[in-house]
Amino acid sequence: GAGVSQTPSNKVTEKGKYVELRCDPISGHTALYWYRQSLGQGPEFLIYFQGTGAADDSGLPNDRFFAVRPEGSVSTLKIQRTERGDSAVYLCASSLMASGRGEQFFGPGTRLTVL
Amino acid sequence: DAKTTQPNSMESNEEEPVHLPCNHSTISGTDYIHWYRQLPSQGPEYVIHGLTSNVNNRMASLAIAEDRKSSTLILHRATLRDAAVYYCILRDRDAGGTSYGKLTFGQGTILTVHP
Repeated sequence: GAGVSQTPSNKVTEKGKYVELRCDPISGHTALYWYRQSLGQGPEFLIYFQGTGAADDSGLPNDRFFAVRPEGSVSTLKIQRTERGDSAVYLCASSLMASGRGEQFFGPGTRLTVL
Repeated sequence: DAKTTQPNSMESNEEEPVHLPCNHSTISGTDYIHWYRQLPSQGPEYVIHGLTSNVNNRMASLAIAEDRKSSTLILHRATLRDAAVYYCILRDRDAGGTSYGKLTFGQGTILTVHP
């Protein structure tokens, strides 16, 4: 079956622009997670959804970052007024539910470059 | 979140066993121990998890110390495809105390496998 997919795979933008990153989770997975990974670092948690609602958004760095999951499936991470420091690989993951025993399935990521 | 400590890097030869250590001295009773790995240019991949007892699956074995303050991921016969960054993660309950959401990644251990 299909895994987690993310589009675009690469995004180059200019400082100050707005970007949207899309994540298609595995069908039937109720939990969806966003992480970002800078070069040489481990992934850093941003936000996760249980169904349509954000269950934990404590990792969003500031109010320029926002994510939605209106129908409990596809999610979009939105970044306003991008800065060079936002350059990173943005990873999406999904799981059947947010369980201590459950595994998260990761997508290949979107590489964002802010010039 | 409870923290883990892993060696920055380890090396192994192909077809030999590999023991990847992880210290987590501040682990709490409800923390699950998860291992993920990340191959170059890919998203992280679940390897194994456990709570108190040792665990085996098709990919690896997880040995958990009796006091749970350390654990070891065991790859029984390393292959070149096992070369990756291995992350040891303590997965704890959300602030609401009802579910387990985010994964908190550290720096991980870079495993190099020599032919």
